[in-house]
Amino acid sequence: DQQVKQNSPSLSVQEGRISILNCDYTNSMFDYFLWYKKYPAEGPTFLISISSIKDKNEDGRFTVFLNKSAKHLSLHIVPSQPGDSAVYFCAASPNNAGNMLTFGGGTRLMVKP
Amino acid sequence: DSGVTQTPKHLITATGQRVTLRCSPRSGDLSVYWYQQSLDQGLQFLIQYYNGEERAKGNILERFSAQQFPDLHSELNLSSLELGDSALYFCASSVGSKTEAFFGQGTRLTVV
Repeated sequence: DQQVKQNSPSLSVQEGRISILNCDYTNSMFDYFLWYKKYPAEGPTFLISISSIKDKNEDGRFTVFLNKSAKHLSLHIVPSQPGDSAVYFCAASPNNAGNMLTFGGGTRLMVKP
Repeated sequence: DSGVTQTPKHLITATGQRVTLRCSPRSGDLSVYWYQQSLDQGLQFLIQYYNGEERAKGNILERFSAQQFPDLHSELNLSSLELGDSALYFCASSVGSKTEAFFGQGTRLTVV
């Protein structure tokens, strides 16, 4: 049972445009959500996080939106740059288990120059 | 550079063998996590230690064990290795709960 799902395995966007990556979750115990970026043969790199008490968090070009009623979060990248091309993972942590992260399957973002 | 160091980077071993993967967390981080990334399972949480004590357990096989030492480094021991254990093993660390975890570069284990 996949508790965190990223339904789009890949996304292609033109440089300068907005990239929107989506993530759905099923476990209502999740209260902390994170996005990671991963290049091949490297570890995931933390991008941005959001607590369930918020519905939006912004850091530079990256904004994460959380819709608790829909159990959905999204990552917006504006403007997209070729260097953003990577695999993006969303992850969620339950409120009763420290920082144990459940990861989605990832979305490969390709930003075309 | 995340500040989390994992050794070795690559490991090739035979079925039935035992290996130890090592992780040094970022300076000041008390929590260490181990994750496995395989082609068919994605990134899966194995186990968490906080200041030397086991804090949470995920899908970790009985053949696998971990510990965190007083200097906060951690080791993941994998025994009776099978072909299916071939994967990338990541260590991550964080200051505490509900803070972002920073990942190391991973150890690629190949069981032949």
